[in-house]
Amino acid sequence: QKEVEQDPGPLSVPEGAIVSLNCTYSNSAFQYFMWYRQYSRKGPELLMYTYSSGNKEDGRFTAQVDKSSKYISLFIRDSQPSDSATYLCASREYGNKLVFGAGTILRVKS
Amino acid sequence: DAGVIQSPRHEVTEMGQEVTLRCKPISGHDYLFWYRQTMMRGLELLIYFNNNVPIDDSGMPEDRFSAKMPNASFSTLKIQPSEPRDSAVYFCASSSRLGNTDTQYFGPGTRLTVL
Repeated sequence: QKEVEQDPGPLSVPEGAIVSLNCTYSNSAFQYFMWYRQYSRKGPELLMYTYSSGNKEDGRFTAQVDKSSKYISLFIRDSQPSDSATYLCASREYGNKLVFGAGTILRVKS
Repeated sequence: DAGVIQSPRHEVTEMGQEVTLRCKPISGHDYLFWYRQTMMRGLELLIYFNNNVPIDDSGMPEDRFSAKMPNASFSTLKIQPSEPRDSAVYFCASSSRLGNTDTQYFGPGTRLTVL
């Protein structure tokens, strides 16, 4: 079993929809949770960062972590075609390497 | 800041040939990571360095792979001999630390095709 599991999709939604992207993880020592966005033929770039449980909001993006269920979520409101990309969740213990999920391909149709 | 620089951007080679991928991290970053990305396996960490010293190479698939960081501004990933199953996109990333708020900055990747 992978330490971070993520449905690869693809997930296809109409413009303006609310998007929910999810991951689960198995390592109870994970404390830091990130979402990276990767456009086609580009390297991943950090989108959101969360420490421990709770929510974090940045514009149209909300990251949510539930440590009791080991569940990581990213919500995108008012999705735009420019949001079409692969979204990778990642987790780590303090001072240790990042472990990535497989990535979910998101397509927002105009 | 130019970001993380990788070369070449594309590499096509034949099975059995030696392949060398290059990376220049962001100036001032102490950590350098090599990743491999495929459709089947996603993004996998191969090895990472701290202050030019390899810290964890447990992700290196086999002895055909080797990585070096001779100085703070340059690293190489070498595959010898290359095999078709090595075809993937190889990313280099750097960060200032492994603490709670560090961000890994990724390069554009090298797309390797082994025929």
